[in-house]
Amino acid sequence: DAMVIQNPRYQVTQFGKPVTLSCSQTLNHNVMYWYQQKSSQAPKLLFHYYDKDFNNEADTPDNFQSRRPNTSFCFLDIRSPGLGDAAMYLCATSGRTGETDTQYFGPGTRLTVL
Amino acid sequence: GQNIDQPTEMTATEGAIVQINCTYQTSGFNGLFWYQQHAGEAPTFLSYNVLDGLEEKGRFSSFLSRSKGYSYLLLKELQMKDSASYLCAVMDSNYQLIWGAGTKLIIKP
Repeated sequence: DAMVIQNPRYQVTQFGKPVTLSCSQTLNHNVMYWYQQKSSQAPKLLFHYYDKDFNNEADTPDNFQSRRPNTSFCFLDIRSPGLGDAAMYLCATSGRTGETDTQYFGPGTRLTVL
Repeated sequence: GQNIDQPTEMTATEGAIVQINCTYQTSGFNGLFWYQQHAGEAPTFLSYNVLDGLEEKGRFSSFLSRSKGYSYLLLKELQMKDSASYLCAVMDSNYQLIWGAGTKLIIKP
């Protein structure tokens, strides 16, 4: 089945210790998104890629970086995690940007910062 | 600013019908999505409306009125597994999804 996969499902890191979350997709979608979601809140878009074009949201902290080495994979790097970065990180994909296309989500990675 | 409003929490009884409302104010409109999110899991797509009217999909239906900036999700024959948060999201003129905070639906036997 075509799907969006995120690894790991649960990640524990220490304050200030860099961490990388990964996302892969077999849907062959052009667009990949990273969201941060805290409890009982709406998902917050951090950035997205349309193919290799990177689009950063204006209020995404510099502490968050992303890489997309190919169509299938996308990574979220948190350079110096703080306690406020503990959240669920969601990867999503869609077929095209600039058009109304449904976003499909991976299972998410729950990040705990000690 | 852009805003999506939906009730924080609703309670319903197994076997009953529940309607979850969503009102929106966005810069442009390119469609409205409903997602279901179980606790600790990712959102899963339920429905998409871009024209006024009712879209039915099994036990779930979604309605849209663009002139009123209003949508609802109707869930029939409620089952315990329907206990989840239901997120309303609108795609704006820049094709960005604007998300509501979600409605937590509690189903009681």
